Amino acid sequence: QITLKESGPTLVKPTQTLTLTCTFSGFSLSTSGVGVEWIRQPPGKALEWLALIYWDDDKRYSPSLKSRLTITKDTSKNQVVLRMTNMDPVDTATYYCARRSGDTVYYWGQGTLVTVSS
Amino acid sequence: QSVLTQPPSVSAAPGQKVTISCSGSSSNIGRNFVSWYQQLPGTAPKLLIYENNKRPSGIPDRFSGSKSGTSVTLGITGLQTGDEADYYCGTWDSSLSGWVFGEGTKLTVL
Repeated sequence: QITLKESGPTLVKPTQTLTLTCTFSGFSLSTSGVGVEWIRQPPGKALEWLALIYWDDDKRYSPSLKSRLTITKDTSKNQVVLRMTNMDPVDTATYYCARRSGDTVYYWGQGTLVTVSS
Repeated sequence: QSVLTQPPSVSAAPGQKVTISCSGSSSNIGRNFVSWYQQLPGTAPKLLIYENNKRPSGIPDRFSGSKSGTSVTLGITGLQTGDEADYYCGTWDSSLSGWVFGEGTKLTVL
């Protein structure tokens, strides 16, 4: 059974750096073709893709947020970490991690709500 | 504003059929596979359709997907009140070098 779970702070202050961890089970991020990505959703708004890391450490970022994002993996711990710098209230959202295989995101975490406020 | 265009809302009566469109361009839908996701209120998105028209295990055949050129369509037949949700299309955009989602369509079953 494949599961993913996001963890991290629920509240961050403007200008701070957000660090989120995705801990997964039921698959390995060393398997060819597999990736883990981050997607966010502001309250009442649409999904927005943020970043993706593949089994071979290839990384892709949203062009509009690339300068603020860093995605890394720890295969031995079954974890993927997303760092987002210079947080702003507009970054308030539910952040999801998900498993990708090929062109498809099959599995999603439950999401974690991050609020940016002073 | 997303590069994939969906209607904000659609509605139909129980038992009826509804379609949701997702329009893109040659850099996204025109050359890449599309997925559809269902998001029930307060929950994470769930995969409904992948590679334009394939259903994951456990998704009933009331849900279908089709593609024509730079547009895709999600069809839902035999509507149930439990189908009330937001529906999103998603695909890779070769020009942006990133994954993109539509703005979402809210389905109301009257």
